[in-house]
Amino acid sequence: GAVVSQHPSRVICKSGTSVKIECRSLDFQATTMFWYRQFPKQSLMLMATSNEGSKATYEQGVEKDKFLINHASLTLSTLTVTSAHPEDSSFYICSARAAGGFMNTEAFFGQGTRLTVV
Amino acid sequence: KQEVTQIPAALSVPEGENLVLNCSFTDSAIYNLQWFRQDPGKGLTSLLLIQSSQREQTSGRLNASLDKSSGRSTLYIAASQPGDSATYLCAVLGGTYKYIFGTGTRLKVLA
Repeated sequence: GAVVSQHPSRVICKSGTSVKIECRSLDFQATTMFWYRQFPKQSLMLMATSNEGSKATYEQGVEKDKFLINHASLTLSTLTVTSAHPEDSSFYICSARAAGGFMNTEAFFGQGTRLTVV
Repeated sequence: KQEVTQIPAALSVPEGENLVLNCSFTDSAIYNLQWFRQDPGKGLTSLLLIQSSQREQTSGRLNASLDKSSGRSTLYIAASQPGDSATYLCAVLGGTYKYIFGTGTRLKVLA
């Protein structure tokens, strides 16, 4: 199956700094990428949808100025957590859907990034 | 708004048992449904994908069924093993073209 690489897998940062998480589709082109957040023992909550070359669409309640998403190419999307605070500590997972074909094609998921803000 | 619920929230069974995990969704207008496995602190592993036109999919000891009209899917695990211990998530793809995830079932298979 298709591979989505997410980097870094773990990051610890100081409160007030910014952290960038990368999501790459390694063997396919992804017109659409999704970013999810998962709190301990909870399910995945969709944060935003990004389409290559256009602005991301954020879900209700997600601060777009805090969680900056860039999808500059068909194989790379980045999520930047700006001015991180301890409450931003969470597990972030990206997924990518292949270009072409039907909209109901399978989405492929990265391995996630554990962010800890101290 | 699509809501996806999984029952039970947690399950503990002895090794060798056959078990069924349930997933229900409120809006039956879906394109597909996918079952995932998540180990603690890890990402998602896709197990089975069922298109809306399909009734079931099988992979090894896993069988997933879909009853779109009633908004239900089940994941059947045969002859469970300790290595099956994980959280199982279902997700539906609907008209918004976004996957909406269920609440998850934490499975523990005892040796």
